[in-house]
Amino acid sequence: EIVMTQSPATLSVSPGERVTLSCRASQNIHSNLAWYQQKPGQAPRLLISGASTRATNIPGRFSASGSGTEFTLTISSLQSEDFAIYYCQQYNSWPPWTFGQGTKVEIK
Amino acid sequence: EVQLVESGGSLVQPGGSLRLSCAASGFTFSSFEFNWVRQAPGKGLEWISYIGSRGRKIYYADSVKGRFSISRDNAKSALYLQMDSLTVEDTAIYYCARVQADERGYLGLFDHWGQGALVTVSS
Repeated sequence: EIVMTQSPATLSVSPGERVTLSCRASQNIHSNLAWYQQKPGQAPRLLISGASTRATNIPGRFSASGSGTEFTLTISSLQSEDFAIYYCQQYNSWPPWTFGQGTKVEIK
Repeated sequence: EVQLVESGGSLVQPGGSLRLSCAASGFTFSSFEFNWVRQAPGKGLEWISYIGSRGRKIYYADSVKGRFSISRDNAKSALYLQMDSLTVEDTAIYYCARVQADERGYLGLFDHWGQGALVTVSS
């Protein structure tokens, strides 16, 4: 099973700031990584696929990069609606699909 | 518009059973594979089961293997999760999620999710 590890667990930031979230895979997953955003009381929403491709209707302030075992998600200028929990997920080798434990982006 | 709507969540006693449903609309249900993913209170996401488009390929997480059963009815555009021998550790929101290929054609990301069904296992 591929273990996904996200850091940090929590990020306290102010609106307008740039934030970078990290995700590490326990083995090479190439570019088979997705990022999801989850707001309180809502289902997860797909943000990024293929490690760097924004999903439909995702704003350009979201960008992502990486391959192999190291990945990042960057929000260039945090908006109020971006405060949420972000999960990475590998789909290189399944089953099982595995998620990171999440990074909570909260208001400073 | 793609829609996935779960139903069937409720309070159940340990050892009991429950069947969740996921009604799909806005796309050709029979062409897609699906998963169930759950989220315990205050916790992260846990994949628990997968079913292929024809229902012939099925996988389970070790945590539910032998207790849960996934199925689908393509004529009704519906996905199901039969949950038996429930324990308090099964308390969670259960999401159905559609499987999609990415821009390179690599299958496995979850492009649409339902709103979730809450299952509470408690005496």
